[in-house]
Amino acid sequence: EVQLLESGGGLVQPGGSLTLSCAASGFTFSTYAMSWVRQTPGKGLEWVSSISNSGDRTYHADSVKGRFTISRDNSKNTLSLQMNSLRAEDTAVYYCAKDMKPAADPYSFDYWGQGTLVTVSS
Amino acid sequence: QSALTQPPSVSGAPGQRVTISCTGSSSNIGANYDVHWYQHLPGTAPKLLIYAYSNRPSGVPGRFSGSRSGTSASLAITGLQAEDEADYYCQCYDSRLSGSVFGTGTKVNVL
Repeated sequence: EVQLLESGGGLVQPGGSLTLSCAASGFTFSTYAMSWVRQTPGKGLEWVSSISNSGDRTYHADSVKGRFTISRDNSKNTLSLQMNSLRAEDTAVYYCAKDMKPAADPYSFDYWGQGTLVTVSS
Repeated sequence: QSALTQPPSVSGAPGQRVTISCTGSSSNIGANYDVHWYQHLPGTAPKLLIYAYSNRPSGVPGRFSGSRSGTSASLAITGLQAEDEADYYCQCYDSRLSGSVFGTGTKVNVL
Protein backbone atom coordinates (compact mmCIF):
# COMPACT_ATOMS: atom_id res chain seq x y z
CA GLU A 1 0.00 0.00 0.00
CA VAL A 2 1.37 3.41 -1.00
CA GLN A 3 1.80 5.73 1.96
CA LEU A 4 3.05 9.30 2.06
CA LEU A 5 3.52 10.88 5.47
CA GLU A 6 4.37 14.57 5.72
CA SER A 7 5.94 16.20 8.74
CA GLY A 8 7.63 19.43 9.72
CA GLY A 9 4.76 21.89 9.52
CA GLY A 10 4.11 24.47 12.20
CA LEU A 11 4.04 28.14 13.09
CA VAL A 12 6.88 30.32 11.82
CA GLN A 13 7.44 34.05 11.74
CA PRO A 14 7.61 35.99 8.48
CA GLY A 15 11.11 35.79 7.08
CA GLY A 16 11.73 32.51 8.86
CA SER A 17 12.57 29.05 7.55
CA LEU A 18 11.04 25.61 7.77
CA THR A 19 11.79 22.21 6.27
CA LEU A 20 9.03 19.80 5.35
CA SER A 21 9.63 16.08 4.96
CA CYS A 22 7.65 13.31 3.34
CA ALA A 23 8.32 9.67 4.18
CA ALA A 24 7.28 7.37 1.36
CA SER A 25 6.57 3.65 1.43
CA GLY A 26 4.77 0.97 -0.54
CA PHE A 27 6.40 1.68 -3.92
CA THR A 28 9.83 1.96 -5.54
CA PHE A 29 10.52 5.56 -4.57
CA SER A 30 13.46 6.09 -6.92
CA THR A 31 11.31 5.30 -9.96
CA TYR A 32 8.88 8.19 -9.69
CA ALA A 33 9.00 11.97 -9.81
CA MET A 34 7.62 13.60 -6.67
CA SER A 35 5.96 16.92 -5.99
CA TRP A 36 4.70 19.34 -3.37
CA VAL A 37 1.27 20.92 -3.77
CA ARG A 38 -0.33 23.38 -1.35
CA GLN A 39 -3.79 24.66 -0.55
CA THR A 40 -4.05 28.10 0.99
CA PRO A 41 -6.98 28.85 3.33
CA GLY A 42 -10.19 29.25 1.40
CA LYS A 43 -8.44 28.87 -1.93
CA GLY A 44 -7.61 26.15 -4.39
CA LEU A 45 -4.73 23.82 -5.03
CA GLU A 46 -1.42 25.33 -6.11
CA TRP A 47 1.51 23.37 -7.51
CA VAL A 48 4.69 24.31 -5.63
CA SER A 49 7.63 22.15 -6.69
CA SER A 50 8.55 18.91 -8.43
CA ILE A 51 11.69 16.78 -8.65
CA SER A 52 12.70 14.10 -11.14
CA ASN A 53 13.06 10.51 -10.01
CA SER A 54 16.86 10.74 -9.76
CA GLY A 55 16.81 14.22 -8.27
CA ASP A 56 18.83 15.79 -11.06
CA ARG A 57 16.01 18.07 -12.23
CA THR A 58 13.87 20.34 -10.09
CA TYR A 59 10.95 22.61 -10.92
CA HIS A 60 9.50 25.43 -8.86
CA ALA A 61 6.49 27.70 -9.20
CA ASP A 62 7.34 31.36 -9.77
CA SER A 63 5.76 32.23 -6.41
CA VAL A 64 8.42 30.22 -4.53
CA LYS A 65 11.38 30.31 -6.90
CA GLY A 66 14.55 31.41 -5.12
CA ARG A 67 13.01 30.78 -1.69
CA PHE A 68 12.01 27.09 -1.70
CA THR A 69 14.20 24.10 -2.59
CA ILE A 70 12.91 20.60 -3.25
CA SER A 71 15.18 17.61 -2.73
CA ARG A 72 15.02 13.85 -2.22
CA ASP A 73 17.02 11.04 -0.68
CA ASN A 74 16.32 7.86 -2.60
CA SER A 75 18.29 5.79 -0.10
CA LYS A 76 15.88 6.86 2.65
CA ASN A 77 12.68 7.16 0.55
CA THR A 78 12.32 10.74 1.69
CA LEU A 79 11.20 13.92 -0.05
CA SER A 80 11.99 17.34 1.41
CA LEU A 81 11.03 20.97 0.91
CA GLN A 82 13.33 23.62 2.36
CA MET A 83 11.37 26.86 2.72
CA ASN A 84 13.20 30.12 3.36
CA SER A 85 12.11 33.76 3.55
CA LEU A 86 8.59 32.67 4.37
CA ARG A 87 5.72 35.08 3.83
CA ALA A 88 2.17 35.24 5.14
CA GLU A 89 0.91 34.13 1.74
CA ASP A 90 2.84 30.85 2.11
CA THR A 91 0.40 29.83 4.85
CA ALA A 92 -1.18 26.65 3.57
CA VAL A 93 -1.59 22.92 3.92
CA TYR A 94 1.32 21.34 2.05
CA TYR A 95 0.78 17.97 0.38
CA CYS A 96 3.40 15.53 -0.80
CA ALA A 97 2.33 13.81 -4.03
CA LYS A 98 3.63 10.85 -6.03
CA ASP A 99 3.66 10.91 -9.81
CA MET A 100 1.56 8.27 -11.51
CA LYS A 101 4.05 7.34 -14.24
CA PRO A 102 7.44 5.66 -13.64
CA ALA A 103 9.40 8.37 -15.42
CA ALA A 104 11.79 11.19 -14.75
CA ASP A 105 9.55 14.22 -15.13
CA PRO A 106 6.33 15.13 -13.28
CA TYR A 107 3.05 14.32 -15.00
CA SER A 108 0.06 13.79 -12.69
CA PHE A 109 -0.36 12.84 -9.06
CA ASP A 110 -1.93 9.51 -8.16
CA TYR A 111 -1.17 9.38 -4.43
CA TRP A 112 -1.17 12.18 -1.91
CA GLY A 113 -0.29 12.51 1.73
CA GLN A 114 -2.69 13.92 4.29
CA GLY A 115 -0.88 17.23 4.35
CA THR A 116 0.96 19.31 6.92
CA LEU A 117 -0.08 22.82 7.93
CA VAL A 118 2.37 25.70 7.66
CA THR A 119 1.33 28.96 9.29
CA VAL A 120 3.41 32.08 8.70
CA SER A 121 2.50 34.72 11.23
CA SER A 122 4.05 37.00 13.81
CA GLN B 1 -3.31 33.79 -11.24
CA SER B 2 -4.09 30.31 -12.54
CA ALA B 3 -3.57 29.52 -16.19
CA LEU B 4 -6.60 27.19 -16.14
CA THR B 5 -10.07 28.63 -15.57
CA GLN B 6 -13.00 26.69 -14.11
CA PRO B 7 -16.50 27.81 -13.07
CA PRO B 8 -16.67 28.48 -9.30
CA SER B 9 -19.59 26.12 -8.80
CA VAL B 10 -22.06 23.80 -10.51
CA SER B 11 -25.18 22.23 -9.03
CA GLY B 12 -27.42 19.31 -9.78
CA ALA B 13 -30.01 17.06 -8.24
CA PRO B 14 -29.24 13.42 -7.45
CA GLY B 15 -29.24 11.36 -10.63
CA GLN B 16 -28.60 14.33 -12.91
CA ARG B 17 -25.57 15.04 -15.10
CA VAL B 18 -23.23 17.94 -14.48
CA THR B 19 -20.20 19.10 -16.42
CA ILE B 20 -17.20 21.15 -15.37
CA SER B 21 -15.15 23.05 -17.92
CA CYS B 22 -11.44 23.79 -17.75
CA THR B 23 -10.29 26.52 -20.13
CA GLY B 24 -6.63 26.89 -20.92
CA SER B 25 -4.42 28.41 -23.58
CA SER B 26 -1.84 27.66 -26.23
CA SER B 27 0.86 27.03 -23.60
CA ASN B 28 -1.00 24.24 -21.80
CA ILE B 29 -4.11 22.46 -23.09
CA GLY B 30 -3.71 23.97 -26.57
CA ALA B 31 -0.15 22.65 -26.70
CA ASN B 32 -1.52 19.13 -26.37
CA TYR B 33 -0.37 18.53 -22.81
CA ASP B 34 -2.55 16.01 -21.00
CA VAL B 35 -5.21 17.23 -18.59
CA HIS B 36 -5.95 15.45 -15.32
CA TRP B 37 -8.81 15.85 -12.85
CA TYR B 38 -8.88 15.60 -9.06
CA GLN B 39 -11.62 15.39 -6.46
CA HIS B 40 -10.93 17.09 -3.14
CA LEU B 41 -13.02 16.81 0.00
CA PRO B 42 -12.09 19.28 2.76
CA GLY B 43 -9.68 17.81 5.26
CA THR B 44 -8.72 14.89 3.08
CA ALA B 45 -6.06 14.12 0.50
CA PRO B 46 -7.00 15.01 -3.10
CA LYS B 47 -7.87 12.03 -5.28
CA LEU B 48 -6.89 11.48 -8.92
CA LEU B 49 -10.15 11.05 -10.82
CA ILE B 50 -9.21 11.21 -14.49
CA TYR B 51 -5.80 11.23 -16.17
CA ALA B 52 -4.84 12.09 -19.74
CA TYR B 53 -8.25 13.64 -20.45
CA SER B 54 -10.43 10.55 -20.29
CA ASN B 55 -8.77 7.67 -18.42
CA ARG B 56 -9.99 6.50 -15.05
CA PRO B 57 -7.62 5.01 -12.46
CA SER B 58 -8.66 1.72 -10.97
CA GLY B 59 -11.51 2.16 -8.50
CA VAL B 60 -12.95 5.36 -9.94
CA PRO B 61 -16.64 4.87 -10.84
CA GLY B 62 -17.66 4.96 -14.49
CA ARG B 63 -20.01 7.89 -13.91
CA PHE B 64 -16.94 10.14 -14.08
CA SER B 65 -15.71 10.87 -17.59
CA GLY B 66 -13.45 13.41 -19.26
CA SER B 67 -13.01 14.94 -22.69
CA ARG B 68 -11.12 17.64 -24.57
CA SER B 69 -11.99 20.21 -27.21
CA GLY B 70 -9.36 22.63 -28.49
CA THR B 71 -7.95 24.60 -25.56
CA SER B 72 -10.53 23.28 -23.11
CA ALA B 73 -11.23 20.10 -21.20
CA SER B 74 -14.36 18.91 -19.45
CA LEU B 75 -15.29 16.59 -16.62
CA ALA B 76 -18.75 15.06 -16.60
CA ILE B 77 -20.48 13.38 -13.69
CA THR B 78 -23.52 11.35 -14.65
CA GLY B 79 -25.96 9.91 -12.13
CA LEU B 80 -24.91 12.50 -9.55
CA GLN B 81 -24.71 11.18 -5.99
CA ALA B 82 -24.60 12.96 -2.63
CA GLU B 83 -21.06 11.70 -2.09
CA ASP B 84 -19.92 13.56 -5.21
CA GLU B 85 -20.29 16.88 -3.40
CA ALA B 86 -16.69 18.11 -3.35
CA ASP B 87 -14.21 20.44 -5.04
CA TYR B 88 -12.87 19.43 -8.45
CA TYR B 89 -9.65 20.62 -10.08
CA CYS B 90 -8.11 20.19 -13.49
CA GLN B 91 -4.31 20.09 -13.85
CA CYS B 92 -1.90 20.31 -16.77
CA TYR B 93 1.69 21.15 -17.64
CA ASP B 94 2.27 24.71 -18.83
CA SER B 95 5.27 25.43 -21.05
CA ARG B 96 5.21 29.19 -20.38
CA LEU B 97 5.38 28.58 -16.63
CA SER B 98 7.74 25.60 -17.02
CA GLY B 99 5.74 23.69 -14.50
CA SER B 100 2.43 22.21 -13.57
CA VAL B 101 -0.70 24.26 -13.04
CA PHE B 102 -4.05 23.60 -11.40
CA GLY B 103 -7.38 25.04 -12.40
CA THR B 104 -9.20 27.52 -10.20
CA GLY B 105 -11.43 24.77 -8.81
CA THR B 106 -15.16 24.03 -9.00
CA LYS B 107 -17.46 23.26 -6.11
CA VAL B 108 -20.07 20.64 -7.02
CA ASN B 109 -23.28 21.02 -5.02
CA VAL B 110 -25.77 18.17 -4.88
CA LEU B 111 -29.21 19.68 -4.33
